Amino acid sequence: AQSVAQPEDQVNVAEGNPLTVKCTYSVSGNPYLFWYVQYPNRGLQFLLKYITGDNLVKGSYGFEAEFNKSQTSFHLKKPSALVSDSALYFCAVSLGGYQKVTFGIGTKLQVIP
Amino acid sequence: KAGVTQTPRYLIKTRGQQVTLSCSPISGHRSVSWYQQTPGQGLQFLFEYFSETQRNKGNFPGRFSGRQFSNSRSEMNVSTLELGDSALYLCASSSPGRGGTDTQYFGPGTRLTVL
Repeated sequence: AQSVAQPEDQVNVAEGNPLTVKCTYSVSGNPYLFWYVQYPNRGLQFLLKYITGDNLVKGSYGFEAEFNKSQTSFHLKKPSALVSDSALYFCAVSLGGYQKVTFGIGTKLQVIP
Repeated sequence: KAGVTQTPRYLIKTRGQQVTLSCSPISGHRSVSWYQQTPGQGLQFLFEYFSETQRNKGNFPGRFSGRQFSNSRSEMNVSTLELGDSALYLCASSSPGRGGTDTQYFGPGTRLTVL
């Protein structure tokens, strides 16, 4: 069975500082990895994905994530946080090939002005 | 392109009733997935349809069912509603590329409240 862990319920960071939202995964195969963001009372918005290739993936709104196979991690990062980045962030994994996607529990990011 | 649309946006029902939620995917997308989102359980996968066939199913009781039409629009139905069914129900569509699973695009959700 595949699973995703987001170990932090909430991450607080000061505006302008770098941010990291952690994600580790467990699958029996090569993972497809995703990050989504959810603003209040909205659906999820796609940020970025890793399927294959370069371990550093760049996505929307200045976000990036690094795939680390040995640590089975896919942490989300941004060099300089904005107050508008405050939202709920979800990491997700699948095995591709039309397999279902499993989401983490979500991490609330709070950027403090 | 228009995004994923879900109707209705809000719904209030009482225990024992049944409800049908609708999802229209992005034009050209043939895969539609449904999720239940609650504060305690997070996002839980309900089922996924592709070309009118249920391809994957999550661990939900038989009261939860769905279908997909030839135009890729999908409906999910919950019968005999329970208080615990109160949640945000999200629909996502995708257009699987070579190799399968591609990016999912989510609708705004239907907020179901069961009284």
